[in-house]
Amino acid sequence: AQRVTQPEKLLSVFKGAPVELKCNYSYSGSPELFWYVQYSRQRLQLLLRHISRESIKGFTADLNKGETSFHLKKPFAQEEDSAMYYCALRSGGTSYGKLTFGQGTILTVHP
Amino acid sequence: EAGVAQSPRYKIIEKRQSVAFWCNPISGHATLYWYQQILGQGPKLLIQFQNNGVVDDSQLPKDRFSAERLKGVDSTLKIQPAKLEDSAVYLCASSPLRGYEQFFGPGTRLTVL
Repeated sequence: AQRVTQPEKLLSVFKGAPVELKCNYSYSGSPELFWYVQYSRQRLQLLLRHISRESIKGFTADLNKGETSFHLKKPFAQEEDSAMYYCALRSGGTSYGKLTFGQGTILTVHP
Repeated sequence: EAGVAQSPRYKIIEKRQSVAFWCNPISGHATLYWYQQILGQGPKLLIQFQNNGVVDDSQLPKDRFSAERLKGVDSTLKIQPAKLEDSAVYLCASSPLRGYEQFFGPGTRLTVL
């Protein structure tokens, strides 16, 4: 069975500080991992995907298969980064497309 | 492009009553998902449709939950009868066939008293 774990429910940092949101997963196949974000009063939306290896809004995430982790990082947090962040794993095979979400981390960036 | 639409946005019912939620996906999206999000938890997939066929309903409590997708477009999710533990936000999402990004609706917040 696949599982996604986000060990921190809450994370607070000050503006300009580095931030790292942790995500660990368990999956028997080749994982495809995502970070989704939900800003206040907005819909859940895709932030980034591990395959693209892009930096979105200054955030990056590297898939570490040895540690089964996909941590989200930003070197200098901004107040507008305050949101709920979910790590998600996508299945392949017969359940193609199914997302398994972690419990989420609420990030608060203080001025 | 218009996003995923859901209605109602809020619903309050008493236990043992029935309730239905509606979702209209983004035009042209073949795949439609219903998720249940209980307070403090991440979304959990209930059912996934591809066009009007069910791909995955392994986590759908079939004794009380049912879903259909008429003509491969709109979808309804029904709970009959509701229990207190069904209180949650019900999210609908859609994606293009074989697309990797899921587009979420605003959700329906259900409270069962």
